[in-house]
Amino acid sequence: SQQGEEDPQALSIQEGENATMNCSYKTSINNLQWYRQNSGRGLVHLILIRSNEREKHSGRLRVTLDTSKKSSSLLITASRAADTASYFCATVRDSGTYKYIFGTGTRLKVLA
Amino acid sequence: DSGVTQTPKHLITATGQRVTLRCSPRSGDLSVYWYQQSLDQGLQFLIQYYNGEERAKGNILERFSAQQFPDLHSELNLSSLELGDSALYFCASSRDHIYNEQFFGPGTRLTVL
Repeated sequence: SQQGEEDPQALSIQEGENATMNCSYKTSINNLQWYRQNSGRGLVHLILIRSNEREKHSGRLRVTLDTSKKSSSLLITASRAADTASYFCATVRDSGTYKYIFGTGTRLKVLA
Repeated sequence: DSGVTQTPKHLITATGQRVTLRCSPRSGDLSVYWYQQSLDQGLQFLIQYYNGEERAKGNILERFSAQQFPDLHSELNLSSLELGDSALYFCASSRDHIYNEQFFGPGTRLTVL
């Protein structure tokens, strides 16, 4: 089964509000990454957080990682209409067969 | 523009046929990954190549195969196509090891009729 599960599946907010998306996974990881996908297009890498990090910032993005709970959250502050997209978390396992496991995604809609 | 190119952009074919999807990684990237994205299955990792060698396998069917050539471009071959193979196929590349971020191409949309 897929390792990453995002929550919520869909989120609709007003421009200027913050958006929070959560990701849960099942096994130990080396790192966790967040990607964005605009409808039908390729994914764009947003941020990578390693298993020994707890929080990371990049512009309006803030990612947290709790390895004890096997969960991560992505916060987008002061959202804009252009942030409308699907957001995926991807985990890279620390051992065993190396592979990326992508979650099912959160569809974010930011209303102007 | 990620620097990863994929051809063709669209492909329409019939069941039972065979197709080849092509990917050119970003300049300097040694790793290539293939993914399948369908509405009901989400984004599924298929296979990874690193510097010409298979590095990791995911949910790739036996009817599918891939290779990475000496110039580092990669091809994904899909044979005995079924209706359920209709999906977006993405290629991604990374600098070296799998721990790095991946850069995704625009995808090839395959429609099997």
